[in-house]
Amino acid sequence: DIQMTQSPSSLSASVGDTVTITCRASQRISSYLSWYQQKPGKAPRLLIYAASTLQSGVPSTFTGSGSGTDFSLTISNLQPEDFATYFCQQSYSSPTFGQGTKVEIK
Amino acid sequence: EVQLVQSGAEVKKPGESLRISCKGSGYSFTTYWIGWVRQTPGKGLEWMGIIYPDDSQTRYSPSFQGQVTMSADKSTSTAYLQWNILKASDTAKYYCARGGTQLIGYYYGVDVWGQGTTITVSS
Repeated sequence: DIQMTQSPSSLSASVGDTVTITCRASQRISSYLSWYQQKPGKAPRLLIYAASTLQSGVPSTFTGSGSGTDFSLTISNLQPEDFATYFCQQSYSSPTFGQGTKVEIK
Repeated sequence: EVQLVQSGAEVKKPGESLRISCKGSGYSFTTYWIGWVRQTPGKGLEWMGIIYPDDSQTRYSPSFQGQVTMSADKSTSTAYLQWNILKASDTAKYYCARGGTQLIGYYYGVDVWGQGTTITVSS
């Protein structure tokens, strides 16, 4: 299995801040990387696929980048509805997810 | 509206069998892959496998191969996930989610999710 390691596991930020979450793959996965947002009790929501392509309907304050083994998700101008847990997922081979990053209000 | 609606929560005993469902609507159900994902507090999100409803091609994650069976009924636009012998360790929330079309599969993530089905296995 390809292991996905996210960092940090949690962070605190304020409304209006910019935060960056990173995801590292245990082997090269080209750009087969997606990011999801999950709120408590809800299903995950696809934000970005192919490392940097914004899913339809997702605000442009979400930006994905990277290729190979190192990827990042940046959320600019944090809004109250952005406080959630974020997961990366590789789909180069049988998909695997990162352990998640919880973005909390400072 | 494109949506996946899953069956309700289940409470079962170890050794029992179970099948949960995922009904698609608002799109051509047979031409998009449907994936299954398990979520637990301890292991997070785990990819179980994927099925192509048009011909029932399946691709199981190695961790779940032989542990569950995925199937689909084109006539009712419904995908299923089945256990023959439940274990306490199967206690989790299970999601179905829509992948891409036939050649895309899961390469670009899964874009529509069901609401999840919580399964509790306890004696």
